[in-house]
Amino acid sequence: AQKITQTQPGMFVQEKEAVTLDCTYDTSDQSYGLFWYKQPSSGEMIFLIYQGSYDEQNATEGRYSLNFQKARKSANLVISASQLGDSAMYFCAMREEGSGTYKYIFGTGTRLKVLA
Amino acid sequence: GAVVSQHPSWVICKSGTSVKIECRSLDFQATTMFWYRQFPKQSLMLMATSNEGSKATYEQGVEKDKFLINHASLTLSTLTVTSAHPEDSSFYICSAERDRSPYEQYFGPGTRLTVT
Repeated sequence: AQKITQTQPGMFVQEKEAVTLDCTYDTSDQSYGLFWYKQPSSGEMIFLIYQGSYDEQNATEGRYSLNFQKARKSANLVISASQLGDSAMYFCAMREEGSGTYKYIFGTGTRLKVLA
Repeated sequence: GAVVSQHPSWVICKSGTSVKIECRSLDFQATTMFWYRQFPKQSLMLMATSNEGSKATYEQGVEKDKFLINHASLTLSTLTVTSAHPEDSSFYICSAERDRSPYEQYFGPGTRLTVT
């Protein structure tokens, strides 16, 4: 069963507007971490934001915020004031921490295009 | 921030030959390293988890005899693609985890392998 689901293969947003990238997850672990990474065309994976399963407040990192709804098992990424440089692939990932393996599972990604 | 390097960044080899890819953590010790494979426009698929001084743990469907992983030191893990075939052409990305802290996973820039 797919554990990380990103239902938006592609998204467009106008420059300076906000955009939400969806991510839902499935796990039976009580302890897990949720991550968002940006992958520009160069291929490097850039860490954006992290949310721990026990964190009560939504994570924020500059223009990035994570809308964490634990009961719905969703961890959507919100990018405010979009910039042209935000155009890239965005991956949601989960690290299950209960089994002791700490491996990461990635979603299929969302390609974001910021329009001038 | 922590830096992970990969060498080579790209390689072209003939079918039947072996290729070694190095992953180094430059300014921290990595007890765990991960190897991923990414096909064009697809997500990262975890191939194996590599722990220093022990055998790698391979994901289901990954041939351990074809993808040899060696984590000889706390700063170096290598992936050797043996008897490469065109279907092994892909983007290989490693990541290194410094410790079990939340977002202490750092990605290398990736290696693009083309088998002709």
